[in-house]
Amino acid sequence: GQQLNQSPQSMFIQEGEDVSMNCTSSSIFNTWLWYKQDPGEGPVLLIALYKAGELTSNGRLTAQFGITRKDSFLNISASIPSDVGIYFCAGRSSGTYKYIFGTGTRLKVLA
Amino acid sequence: EAGVAQSPRYKIIEKRQSVAFWCNPISGHATLYWYQQILGQGPKLLIQFQNNGVVDDSQLPKDRFSAERLKGVDSTLKIQPAKLEDSAVYLCASSLDRGSTSGNTIYFGEGSWLTVV
Repeated sequence: GQQLNQSPQSMFIQEGEDVSMNCTSSSIFNTWLWYKQDPGEGPVLLIALYKAGELTSNGRLTAQFGITRKDSFLNISASIPSDVGIYFCAGRSSGTYKYIFGTGTRLKVLA
Repeated sequence: EAGVAQSPRYKIIEKRQSVAFWCNPISGHATLYWYQQILGQGPKLLIQFQNNGVVDDSQLPKDRFSAERLKGVDSTLKIQPAKLEDSAVYLCASSLDRGSTSGNTIYFGEGSWLTVV
């Protein structure tokens, strides 16, 4: 099935550093969702975006709905060891009921 | 508010056996999804229900997989007979979908982890 292009695929960072990841699509979306998945668990919703240009924060996490409506970005500031996990984006077009998921960004934080 | 409930959490079966997974969505959520997630990949939609009707089952291997949501609330996903490549996490999710854009947000359960040996 179709998947979004998520970048980077994986990254190692030092504790305290900021992290950026993004998701791009060939289609225009009206909703972008960002999830974190820990080993052995289901994805947990971090941030939901509903309007082009929207910038939303959740603690140290900030996500943006790209103005072209074909991309979205997630930033984590001052990373800590518990930020380790896989981050997924998901997008949905208007007029469809189907979400498409990204391939995931695997984050590892070095203490 | 209770989240999406799934059971069992873990299941190990031999190939050609059958298995069933159960899901109870968040109360009041109209849409229920079953996703398959293979290790190292993002979730792939198997089937999507709106109330008790099927919206999309284009990715469901219908020769061996079946799903139902008889009363528009909880749902079961069955695999019969299982193959080795069915080893994956089966994630149930739900969304409100009552007209507002924010109602589109989907919430996942913890998943049912299947190993076929």
